Amino acid sequence: DAGITQSPRHKVTETGTPVTLRCHQTENHRYMYWYRQDPGHGLRLIHYSYGVKDTDKGEVSDGYSVSRSKTEDFLLTLESATSSQTSVYFCAIGLGETSTDTQYFGPGTRLTVL
Amino acid sequence: AQKITQTQPGMFVQEKEAVTLDCTYDTSDPSYGLFWYKQPSSGEMIFLIYQGSYDQQNATEGRYSLNFQKARKSANLVISASQLGDSAMYFCARGSNYQLIWGAGTKLIIKP
Repeated sequence: DAGITQSPRHKVTETGTPVTLRCHQTENHRYMYWYRQDPGHGLRLIHYSYGVKDTDKGEVSDGYSVSRSKTEDFLLTLESATSSQTSVYFCAIGLGETSTDTQYFGPGTRLTVL
Repeated sequence: AQKITQTQPGMFVQEKEAVTLDCTYDTSDPSYGLFWYKQPSSGEMIFLIYQGSYDQQNATEGRYSLNFQKARKSANLVISASQLGDSAMYFCARGSNYQLIWGAGTKLIIKP
């Protein structure tokens, strides 16, 4: 158990509203990631962080922003949710000090945008 | 794009038989890692096994082993003595710089 929690676990929202998803880790791992998973796809990276206030974009970052003000928390924000952002969102941590060490995942957040 | 290919969208296997899930990858990186994850119907993503590109031996973790053929860019997962609880989606991923690049997955169903 890598001590990763995500909140909320489920959320239904309306198009145009802001949404923030939270990822919390109980250990001081440097690397944290946000992915989305859609049917027929593996996971796709949205944003990642390599330290407090250090973040960068992934493959599908448009429409998303992130913040990391504390080591243990990594927030994903949809500024104005769209139906195309309906997905399952996974947070992950990297156990090592390099970006390709094994990643462990939180339980996921199912987001529905109506 | 440097992608991961899992050619088997779905597989049915009899309980207690061994099963091989295919994964091929495309990369120009000299050093990389290969990963397999399991996603049961409950939705969580579970790490199974890791292979480094410079590892001389194939990785093993209990009933899981990774058949790594570097020249072929192949990293197949082998599950020995399959169990009903092995029914799940299985994803292959490759480590590249700051991220994991994922295949589309294989849905494995174990028949009693």
